[in-house]
Amino acid sequence: RKEVEQDPGPFNVPEGATVAFNCTYSNSASQSFFWYRQDCRKEPKLLMSVYSSGNEDGRFTAQLNRASQYISLLIRDSKLSDSATYLCVVNFNAGGTSYGKLTFGQGTILTVHP
Amino acid sequence: NAGVTQTPKFQVLKTGQSMTLQCAQDMNHNSMYWYRQDPGMGLRLIYYSASEGTTDKGEVPNGYNVSRLNKREFSLRLESAAPSQTSVYFCASRRGLSSYNEQFFGPGTRLTVL
Repeated sequence: RKEVEQDPGPFNVPEGATVAFNCTYSNSASQSFFWYRQDCRKEPKLLMSVYSSGNEDGRFTAQLNRASQYISLLIRDSKLSDSATYLCVVNFNAGGTSYGKLTFGQGTILTVHP
Repeated sequence: NAGVTQTPKFQVLKTGQSMTLQCAQDMNHNSMYWYRQDPGMGLRLIYYSASEGTTDKGEVPNGYNVSRLNKREFSLRLESAAPSQTSVYFCASRRGLSSYNEQFFGPGTRLTVL
């Protein structure tokens, strides 16, 4: 089983739609969680960190469920510019020391069409 | 402030040739990382340097070596390139090892080994 798993999609949605992505992780000692966005042929960039209480940034809402080892990203009112690959990223705590190693899911492709 | 820079952007090698990928960051970050990204595999960590003077293996270190030349620069060397090393290589940096420090990526190097 992969350490971080995502539905690769692709998700094709019309402008204005609401879309949700899910991600599961296997290591219960995981410490911190992120969603990164990667545009075609570009580098990944941080979209948002995911906190235990859940957090929102404009049209984006991230949720964390530690009991189920599950992270989600909700995008409301989709824009054409939201088309990208969304990477679920987990920081594992190895042996009591966080050495900053991030583990990436393979990404979920989103295409927003007019 | 250029962030993370990588050279070259593109490279074609023949099997058995060697080359060094260069990476530099101007954000005074302590930690630096090298990843490779292959279709369907997500980003995989090759090597990382938690701080100047230290380097450690990641998930897929075989066939690579690294040098943390100073706090700014972290290079990746392929001593004898193989077709299996055809990939997109990303360098990244992070202020420190704290859980929620953002990881910043360079623009990537697209390497083809014939």
